[in-house]
Amino acid sequence: AIQMTQSPSSLSASVGDTVTITCRASQGIANDLGWYQQKPGKAPKVLIYLASNLQDGVPPRFSGSGSGTDFSLTISSLQPEDFATYYCLQDYNYPWTFGQGTKVEIK
Amino acid sequence: QVQLLESGGGVVQPGRSLRLSCAASGSSLSAHAMHWVRQPPGAGLEWVAVVSFDGSNTDYADSVKGRFTISRDTSNNTLYLHMNSLRSEDTAVYYCATYSSSYFFDYWGQGALVTVSS
Repeated sequence: AIQMTQSPSSLSASVGDTVTITCRASQGIANDLGWYQQKPGKAPKVLIYLASNLQDGVPPRFSGSGSGTDFSLTISSLQPEDFATYYCLQDYNYPWTFGQGTKVEIK
Repeated sequence: QVQLLESGGGVVQPGRSLRLSCAASGSSLSAHAMHWVRQPPGAGLEWVAVVSFDGSNTDYADSVKGRFTISRDTSNNTLYLHMNSLRSEDTAVYYCATYSSSYFFDYWGQGALVTVSS
């Protein structure tokens, strides 16, 4: 199975900061990667698909990049509603695998 | 707009079986691959299983292969997860989700808690 190594596992930031979360795949996955946001007690919500495509309705302060094995999610100008946990997901081949998650907390 | 509603969660003893259901409303699921994703308490997300749009193909996480069976009934727009030989490490909230033609999970259920404990 493809392993997804996500970092950091948590970070503290202030409103207005820019943060970057990375995911590394154990083998090449082309651009078959999505980024999901999850808030406590809720189902995940897609932010980015196919590595760099912004889902409809998601603010443009979210952006994704990468291909092959290295990917990143950047949140520019953090807003209060962005404090949540973020996961990458490789949907290149089965079994699909999520990264371990990154909890973004308020500093 | 699709709404997904899971049911069938609860407390079950190790080694026993349980079946989760995911009923869809608002739209037919017949064109979508359907998945189960789980999340142990306080932990991250784990992809569990997939069934193709017509039910002809399935795949599983290594952790559940041989114990869990995913299926769908297109006539009543419902997805199932049959879980056998349950273990304590299967304790989690189980989500059903649709996978869009644009290559992402677009609709999710609210989750069903399964607790495996004696």
